[in-house]
Amino acid sequence: QKEVEQNSGPLSVPEGAIASLNCTYSDRGSQSFFWYRQYSGKSPELIMFIYSNGDKEDGRFTAQLNKASQYVSLLIRDSQPSDSATYLCAVDSSASKIIFGSGTRLSIRP
Amino acid sequence: NAGVTQTPKFRILKIGQSMTLQCTQDMNHNYMYWYRQDPGMGLKLIYYSVGAGITDKGEVPNGYNVSRSTTEDFPLRLELAAPSQTSVYFCASSGTALNEKLFFGSGTQLSVL
Repeated sequence: QKEVEQNSGPLSVPEGAIASLNCTYSDRGSQSFFWYRQYSGKSPELIMFIYSNGDKEDGRFTAQLNKASQYVSLLIRDSQPSDSATYLCAVDSSASKIIFGSGTRLSIRP
Repeated sequence: NAGVTQTPKFRILKIGQSMTLQCTQDMNHNYMYWYRQDPGMGLKLIYYSVGAGITDKGEVPNGYNVSRSTTEDFPLRLELAAPSQTSVYFCASSGTALNEKLFFGSGTQLSVL
């Protein structure tokens, strides 16, 4: 079992709709959960960080964490063409290393 | 403020050659990481370090070596390059592994032919 799993996509969402991205992880001891966005040819950039069960909102982005189900998700409301990118879920493992999923490619269609 | 600096940006190696990818950060971060990213894939952890003199293997360490003699520098050594090592390499750093984002370098595109 991979430590961090994501659907690779591509996920196609119409402009203005909600995009929903999912991630599961295997290490029950994980405490920190991150969503990074990566545009083609660029370095990843952090868009959301969450460590408590429940929801965390920042502008159009909402991260959701369910530790019992070992599941973290990212919702993007009012999707814009500029949101088209690869979204990487990352999780701490053994409190010292950060493991990434394979990424979900998101495409926002006008 | 430079952040995380990686050199070189591009490199072509022949099979069997060796090289060192350089990574320097000026934020006094204890945690440093090397990842590789194959086309259309996520980041795979090669090696990481939690402080000067301390390194540990990640998910895909075979064919690579690292050292951490100072807080600032975390070079990645490729010995006997193979085509399977063709990838984009990212160096990253953070103050801790918990609750802090990773600062990434701009990446090194390596091709082994």
